[in-house]
Amino acid sequence: SQQGEEDPQALSIQEGENATMNCSYKTSINNLQWYRQNSGRGLVHLILIRSNEREKHSGRLRVTLDTSKKSSSLLITASRAADTASYFCATDNNTDKLIFGTGTRLQVFP
Amino acid sequence: DVKVTQSSRYLVKRTGEKVFLECVQDMDHENMFWYRQDPGLGLRLIYFSYDVKMKEKGDIPEGYSVSREKKERFSLILESASTNQTSMYLCASSASGISGNTIYFGEGSWLTVV
Repeated sequence: SQQGEEDPQALSIQEGENATMNCSYKTSINNLQWYRQNSGRGLVHLILIRSNEREKHSGRLRVTLDTSKKSSSLLITASRAADTASYFCATDNNTDKLIFGTGTRLQVFP
Repeated sequence: DVKVTQSSRYLVKRTGEKVFLECVQDMDHENMFWYRQDPGLGLRLIYFSYDVKMKEKGDIPEGYSVSREKKERFSLILESASTNQTSMYLCASSASGISGNTIYFGEGSWLTVV
């Protein structure tokens, strides 16, 4: 019962460019979160957006949520080589359990 | 600083062995989770515990069991390891009561079953 599907599966860009990743989900949600995973490590929380919010910012991160389309996007502006990682969306439906997507692998070249 | 610690980073076990993966959190969280991560499949929930001695099956519980005797510790048990259980296992914890809580992850345990 995989909830989220990220698109694209992999993304390669140059430093300074913006990176956009998309997430689609199947059922209604309460919250959507984005997590980052460096290669071979655990996941780290980046940002949360609630179902009644449409956009949220945190530093160079911008998240949008469109509940009518059941989709979210994560934009990383002015990317850096250190942003190289996998990015996952995760959703919940008023429970403590998060359902994760399959992730987008981002490679930022110096 | 919050911490979820997985006792073993890399393990190699033989088919049929009983395997214990241990996880400890220091944040007094009620919820603890075990996920499995495989290429192209993302994270899949194996088991979830919302209190001591309480557990709930996730999406892929077959072949696994769990134990939560103390609030801070959550163990994943492979009763008889098989090669298709070769994977990265991630333990996580969160506070309960309000959806949208951040989940904190350990660094992962790489298990190879030969």
